[in-house]
Amino acid sequence: EPEVTQTPSHQVTQMGQEVILRCVPISNHLYFYWYRQILGQKVEFLVSFYNNEISEKSEIFDDQFSVERPDGSNFTLKIRSTKLEDSAMYFCASSEALAGYNEQFFGPGTRLTVL
Amino acid sequence: AQSVTQLGSHVSVSEGALVLLRCNYSSSVPPYLFWYVQYPNQGLQLLLKYTSAATLVKGINGFEAEFKKSETSFHLTKPSAHMSDAAEYFCAVSKGGGNKLTFGTGTQLKVEL
Repeated sequence: EPEVTQTPSHQVTQMGQEVILRCVPISNHLYFYWYRQILGQKVEFLVSFYNNEISEKSEIFDDQFSVERPDGSNFTLKIRSTKLEDSAMYFCASSEALAGYNEQFFGPGTRLTVL
Repeated sequence: AQSVTQLGSHVSVSEGALVLLRCNYSSSVPPYLFWYVQYPNQGLQLLLKYTSAATLVKGINGFEAEFKKSETSFHLTKPSAHMSDAAEYFCAVSKGGGNKLTFGTGTQLKVEL
């Protein structure tokens, strides 16, 4: 069964450093998303991506964040200068197409720890 | 704007008892509604979804939910709890298509012997 994969599973970084979180969405999916979950809190939407551009982003997704689909398979989230409050579990998700409803499939997450 | 409210951050039931996790939604458009489960240190798994077909939706692991427009509710139930059901459950709403999911704050389900 196809699944969304994410690497690394755990990333530890120093405050101010850049991190890149990687995701491989399901191959025939066209919509890609990043969500985050701060420990003990709810899952929050960060950004959605379609046709090589951002289709929607939340207030959390400021200039420190960027997304990219560098090739036909990967979808990345970059945080330019990490802050302590960026420590969270980051989930990638993908879905098939625009028309009607299509389920979002989630990856296992990357736990980011900023020291 | 869309939102969901989950009543009860922690619910405890005995094994074999009825599970009822509450979710109320707010949406300016016909909503798509979901229940996701998260086991410790794992990602989100879809339990079931409402996409305007049947109002009573059956999902995996014996769970079901009923969409009640008049009550703006989408409560999750399971007739008989099992120890393996212990997890965190999230209700979520979407406008559909490629739109984002908006999650509730989650309900931690504890199942006791």
